[in-house]
Amino acid sequence: QSALTQPASVSGSPGQSISISCTGTSSDVGGYNYVSWYQQHPGKAPKLIIYDVSSRPSGVSNRFSGSKSGNTASLTISGLQSEDEADYYCNSYRDSGTQVFGGGTKLTVL
Amino acid sequence: EVQLVQSGAEVKKPGESLKISCKASGISLIFYWIGWVRQMPGTGLEWMGIIFPTNSDTRYSPSFQGQVAISADKSINTAYLQWDSLKASDTAMYYCVALPSATWRVDYWGQGTLVTVSS
Repeated sequence: QSALTQPASVSGSPGQSISISCTGTSSDVGGYNYVSWYQQHPGKAPKLIIYDVSSRPSGVSNRFSGSKSGNTASLTISGLQSEDEADYYCNSYRDSGTQVFGGGTKLTVL
Repeated sequence: EVQLVQSGAEVKKPGESLKISCKASGISLIFYWIGWVRQMPGTGLEWMGIIFPTNSDTRYSPSFQGQVAISADKSINTAYLQWDSLKASDTAMYYCVALPSATWRVDYWGQGTLVTVSS
């Protein structure tokens, strides 16, 4: 069972915008609007930041946004801040009734 | 306040058995899927499987089918992850997670249980 494909790392300067892609197949990302994104700081449990492709949980900054086109979902972070430096994981529901994470992307704020 | 409180860190030898727990407070597990997520040292997140305690519907990711057992006792709002015979490669942090039924997002995470398997 292959993980969803994410870039290993991305970087940006404070105030800039970055996007992280998450590529799957028609059996997961492309087939369902159940893509979610999680932020994980070192030594901490992950935190939900986007669900159902583009919805934000209460309390999550509107600088975080999500979208999907075909088999690829994307997370965009605008107005980068130092506290955004973390690992980001996409996740999707899959045909088999299970779920699958992406490999994770390390965001560095320069 | 919702909390998923996991059992403490474990140090075991290869071949030993282990059962770790995840007790929910502030939510009733009859309305949630409970999942287990593995994070090996320095690596990413992996779904192991999920269970719906209301009817014990359990689904395993292919990589973990037959390797672990997931169970739950809704009467005490607690889920479990069990191994019959641990391997060194089971060394990892294990998170329990809660997903509201009819959704596929993880609303709540436990604090993690670190399992170390070493001879």
